[in-house]
Amino acid sequence: KNEVEQSPQNLTAQEGEFITINCSYSVGISALHWLQQHPGGGIVSLFMLSSGKKKHGRLIATINIQEKHSSLHITASHPRDSAVYICAVRSIQGAQKLVFGQGTRLTINP
Amino acid sequence: NAGVTQTPKFRILKIGQSMTLQCAQDMNHNYMYWYRQDPGMGLKLIYYSVGAGITDKGEVPNGYNVSRSTTEDFPLRLELAAPSQTSVYFCASSSHNLGSWDSGANVLTFGAGSRLTVL
Repeated sequence: KNEVEQSPQNLTAQEGEFITINCSYSVGISALHWLQQHPGGGIVSLFMLSSGKKKHGRLIATINIQEKHSSLHITASHPRDSAVYICAVRSIQGAQKLVFGQGTRLTINP
Repeated sequence: NAGVTQTPKFRILKIGQSMTLQCAQDMNHNYMYWYRQDPGMGLKLIYYSVGAGITDKGEVPNGYNVSRSTTEDFPLRLELAAPSQTSVYFCASSSHNLGSWDSGANVLTFGAGSRLTVL
């Protein structure tokens, strides 16, 4: 079993829909990262959080440390949100190592 | 533009050849990383550096070497290319320790990636 599991692996939705991507992990962590990989391959860091909730524009990330679970929400989704969203965790023992999920491929249709 | 610059973007190598992937950042970040991304798999850490002169192995260091003689540059060397090293390679940098809770939205800055094929 992977230390970081994302669901769903693929998600297709219509423009305007509320999107939720889930990330579950099995190790104790000091931080969790959400990243976005564009269709062209470039990767952008969206959030880093260790507790609670963060918001940036239409993106909201939450984390529940006790349940070892994080969610990334996108409100009023738009075709430009189409990308692969990646969850990564830094384990307590992990020095500078991030453990990455396989990613969730999101497609927003107009 | 400030950021992480990787070269080359694409390269085809023959088995046994050597090459260096270049990575440079102009943000004065202490932390730099090399990852590889294989299809359907999460990114894997190859090597990282916490400052000039200091490097350490990640999860998958075999077949690679790195150096960090300056804060700006962190080249990745493949000595004897093998088909298993066919992958997309990403360099990244960070001003903060990856576990630090005190940071803004953009913690890791990635290069555009280098697609390497070994035939």
